[in-house]
Amino acid sequence: ETGVTQTPRHLVMGMTNKKSLKCEQHLGHNAMYWYKQSAKKPLELMFVYNFKEQTENNSVPSRFSPECPNSSHLFLHLHTLQPEDSALYLCASSQDFSGAQPQHFGDGTRLSIL
Amino acid sequence: GEDVEQSLFLSVREGDSSVINCTYTDSSSTYLYWYKQEPGAGLQLLTYIFSNMDMKQDQRLTVLLNKKDKHLSLRIADTQTGDSAIYFCAERALTGGGNKLTFGTGTQLKVEL
Repeated sequence: ETGVTQTPRHLVMGMTNKKSLKCEQHLGHNAMYWYKQSAKKPLELMFVYNFKEQTENNSVPSRFSPECPNSSHLFLHLHTLQPEDSALYLCASSQDFSGAQPQHFGDGTRLSIL
Repeated sequence: GEDVEQSLFLSVREGDSSVINCTYTDSSSTYLYWYKQEPGAGLQLLTYIFSNMDMKQDQRLTVLLNKKDKHLSLRIADTQTGDSAIYFCAERALTGGGNKLTFGTGTQLKVEL
């Protein structure tokens, strides 16, 4: 139990589908992060939300759309994805974005694009 | 930009010590972290060290930091089969701002009987 829960754990979708990934943290943190983990590559930071405000967007294609309705929940809406988007998507949280408190990760959603 | 490098594989026998190495390039690094990832799981925070420290010990784990050489290591004493996983080094640097981490590509540790 990491305190960060991601659903679904696995997702297979076609390129024309629309789906959403969900992340919920029970740690009382105020910053939440989306990362992409592909084989043989370092983790790529996609988005950061701090106190529900988006503070970072690392040139992520618009087919990925994040949403943070409150400090405990983070979504990643997916639309018209490409095969190269197949990866493990990890959510993390930390106390806030300005400090250096460690980031705590969920178990990820394994996404496969057909 | 920041860069973090790790060797890809390490194989040790059960009961031996494992040493996983990491080098980084950003001299403004403030915190350095070690994460563990088991198959099918996310990243589990193992330990972290502030850049003004040389060493940190936590049970079987010892972190050594050589700031001059920008070299970080993680030593696991009495390595067990349950330690088999991928270990990621990460740095938080002052450049770029915010709590942004740069990760290495991970070291796969295999523990053999």
